[in-house]
Amino acid sequence: AQTVTQSQPEMSVQEAETVTLSCTYDTSENNYYLFWYKQPPSRQMILVIRQEAYKQQNATENRFSVNFQKAAKSFSLKISDSQLGDTAMYFCALPTQGGSEKLVFGKGTKLTVNP
Amino acid sequence: EAGVTQFPSHSVIEKGQTVTLRCDPISGHDNLYWYRRVMGKEIKFLLHFVKESKQDESGMPNNRFLAERTGGTYSTLKVQPAELEDSGVYFCASSQFRSFGTDTQYFGPGTRLTVL
Repeated sequence: AQTVTQSQPEMSVQEAETVTLSCTYDTSENNYYLFWYKQPPSRQMILVIRQEAYKQQNATENRFSVNFQKAAKSFSLKISDSQLGDTAMYFCALPTQGGSEKLVFGKGTKLTVNP
Repeated sequence: EAGVTQFPSHSVIEKGQTVTLRCDPISGHDNLYWYRRVMGKEIKFLLHFVKESKQDESGMPNNRFLAERTGGTYSTLKVQPAELEDSGVYFCASSQFRSFGTDTQYFGPGTRLTVL
């Protein structure tokens, strides 16, 4: 069974600084995708970034980037130049295969950006 | 274009009562998913519709939960009778294609269910 682990329940960072959220996972698949979702307070969950396992290059979306280490099954999210609007719950997710692309989530990391 | 909407945003009921949650996916999205997050735990999959058909309902906790998607548009999730452990946030998500991994699931704001 696929599992996703986020070991940091809460983190905080000062505005303009960089923070890294960790995620480890387990899957028997060789080809898969990994996602980071963000849920701001009282707002909808949105996709932040997607990584394809067969691509060695780490995905980047503006201030958000990942450090993907396939052998270690690690998928951390780096947020550069943190902004107050980055305050949110961050979820790491792994879609399953075999007909239903349901997502398996970690427990989430609550990130607070302080002014 | 409207996003995924869910109604109600919050529901408080007593144990033994019935509650129906509604999800309106993004127009044209064939895939509709229900997830649930119990306080402090992971978001867990409940079921997946493709149009009006249940593709995967392996995450439904028990037969007190009934999901429908008549006509392949909006979906309802009924809990009858509700138990204390059903409390949590129920998320709905929709997506357009069936291309593995590249298809983004768009989430609704969730319905917070509190069973007293």
